[in-house]
Amino acid sequence: NAGVTQTPKFRVLKTGQSMTLLCAQDMNHEYMYWYRQDPGMGLRLIHYSVGEGTTAKGEVPDGYNVSRLKKQNFLLGLESAAPSQTSVYFCASSYPTTGIRDGTQYFGPGTRLTVL
Amino acid sequence: QQPVQSPQAVILREGEDAVINCSSSKALYSVHWYRQKHGEAPVFLMILLKGGEQKGHEKISASFNEKKQQSSLYLTASQLSYSGTYFCGTGVEYGNKLVFGAGTILRVKS
Repeated sequence: NAGVTQTPKFRVLKTGQSMTLLCAQDMNHEYMYWYRQDPGMGLRLIHYSVGEGTTAKGEVPDGYNVSRLKKQNFLLGLESAAPSQTSVYFCASSYPTTGIRDGTQYFGPGTRLTVL
Repeated sequence: QQPVQSPQAVILREGEDAVINCSSSKALYSVHWYRQKHGEAPVFLMILLKGGEQKGHEKISASFNEKKQQSSLYLTASQLSYSGTYFCGTGVEYGNKLVFGAGTILRVKS
């Protein structure tokens, strides 16, 4: 099993350009998440999804859009990149936290994005 | 609201113990602990659920005080491999949306 994979690993954009980050998981998890990580600020939730076809906003959703057309994939889009979106982006997936499953989030390796 | 972690950073010698605290202003359903090494993804350590037991494996354990809305991570007889940044993620509702603390940098020296 590959777990959670992310593409690309690195990307440099110019202000105003658009791009899509792809996250894929092979663990049959219902939940998927996109985080950004900036120095000294920990992980901040951008958007998340509790199932195929459903998405919801996290703490810092502005400037990003997401789609979950298939259960195993979660896409993060930047329509018009800004320097403030320079960050490391992590995708994660999990089962829901229930009495049986503990909701462990498994993280992908990250995408390092620089916006000039 | 982001949970508050303390200390922000700690330096240990091999074999010493450390405690990392995570405090929230909201009632918590779950607390997740992760460790991240430089340039890598966060790796799950353990999860504590409301009404659950204290967890632990090997020399790392954690507690969850629901009334105080706090969790603590205990690292015993630290090893060089324990170095990294430790994050707590707090969940306030059933499901799994987490809010992460800013992290605690732990460095173990030989």
